[in-house]
Amino acid sequence: KAGVTQTPRYLIKTRGQQVTLSCSPISGHRSVSWYQQTPGQGLQFLFEYFSETQRNKGNFPGRFSGRQFSNSRSEMNVSTLELGDSALYLCASSLGVAGGNEQFFGPGTRLTVL
Amino acid sequence: QKEVEQNSGPLSVPEGAIASLNCTYSDRGSQSFFWYRQYSGKSPELIMSIYSNGDKEDGRFTAQLNKASQYVSLLIRDSQPSDSATYLCAVGTGGGNKLTFGTGTQLKVEL
Repeated sequence: KAGVTQTPRYLIKTRGQQVTLSCSPISGHRSVSWYQQTPGQGLQFLFEYFSETQRNKGNFPGRFSGRQFSNSRSEMNVSTLELGDSALYLCASSLGVAGGNEQFFGPGTRLTVL
Repeated sequence: QKEVEQNSGPLSVPEGAIASLNCTYSDRGSQSFFWYRQYSGKSPELIMSIYSNGDKEDGRFTAQLNKASQYVSLLIRDSQPSDSATYLCAVGTGGGNKLTFGTGTQLKVEL
């Protein structure tokens, strides 16, 4: 069974631009969660989507948004990029019907904001 | 107080020894607990999940959960150099699949 895929793997943007990251979950998984990982803050939860609906949201500004499609693929968008948005963005896939499921991470998208 | 706390290490153990990694959490309502391994430059890889008090064993790995003490641990038996990585404790909080992570413990297994 194929794992979680994320595209693109690397991105370089400048301040003020916006970016869209994509995540395809494991086949059959309906929940996709997004996390940001930085050396200073570690792994932080951004949001979770299940059945095209946002089910949970972390403490990030409204510049961070996401959506999920009917095939469970998910995208996250960051608008008006700031230098501090430079991070590894990870998505995690889980079965998701109930909470507390095991989550499996994709390889991540490394975003650099100049 | 951080929601999930881990000793950052590094924790150094000789090859073949038992490595013991610890984690405490603050939310008493937490119901799901996970250990992830992360090699430098890679994404986290799920090692163990545990939901009930007690021990859960999988190969060389044993997860231990004590909800009364709000404590989770991971034991790695017969440690190998390939086990050298950062180990992340994650706790499921609230509904859905939101995970709160500790900052990770760096493990070094020395020859």
